[in-house]
Amino acid sequence: DAKTTQPPSMDCAEGRAANLPCNHSTISGNEYVYWYRQIHSQGPQYIIHGLKNNETNEMASLIITEDRKSSTLILPHATLRDTAVYYCIVGSYNTDKLIFGTGTRLQVFP
Amino acid sequence: EAGVAQSPRYKIIEKRQSVAFWCNPISGHATLYWYQQILGQGPKLLIQFQNNGVVDDSQLPKDRFSAERLKGVDSTLKIQPAKLEDSAVYLCASSLTRGVYYEQYFGPGTRLTVT
Repeated sequence: DAKTTQPPSMDCAEGRAANLPCNHSTISGNEYVYWYRQIHSQGPQYIIHGLKNNETNEMASLIITEDRKSSTLILPHATLRDTAVYYCIVGSYNTDKLIFGTGTRLQVFP
Repeated sequence: EAGVAQSPRYKIIEKRQSVAFWCNPISGHATLYWYQQILGQGPKLLIQFQNNGVVDDSQLPKDRFSAERLKGVDSTLKIQPAKLEDSAVYLCASSLTRGVYYEQYFGPGTRLTVT
């Protein structure tokens, strides 16, 4: 079973920041948080990952709380192309075992 | 670089028939995965190959599902005989052998409908 909890759906206006929460209260000290997204009719795509520090790349930012029990994926300026299902996954360092939950369906509207 | 290729994209069969899916991973990716994604759920790993050897097939229903990866490149997933509950999207993914295992590259999937 997935070790994360995410809201089933969220809306965001185009151009605004999309903040997608994830709860992982049972995360262990050496486990990372990985984010993937799946656009309709495509396979999932890796976005970002982190351990305890905030991370940023060209796609998104990841904010992990100090107690590491939750995190937020931030898309700073959401576009219509960001409409997708976003999956938060907890796993060991450099894991090849991705256990997907049901994710958050983000709808970006004009 | 070319992505993960899968075919066919869509397949409709009747229950008890057999079906096969093909996957060609990204060149140089030694690790290959097959996932099953039922509507409304996240992908679930069925089998993982490292080159042409099986690393993990614990979630593969071996009474009806089989997979092979000859020569450590292309892979085929077969279902025989199919059941109604096998209706799903079958995703193939690949990753590098060394380094970044968590970054898996997925193909577009094959949508199977069993009637």
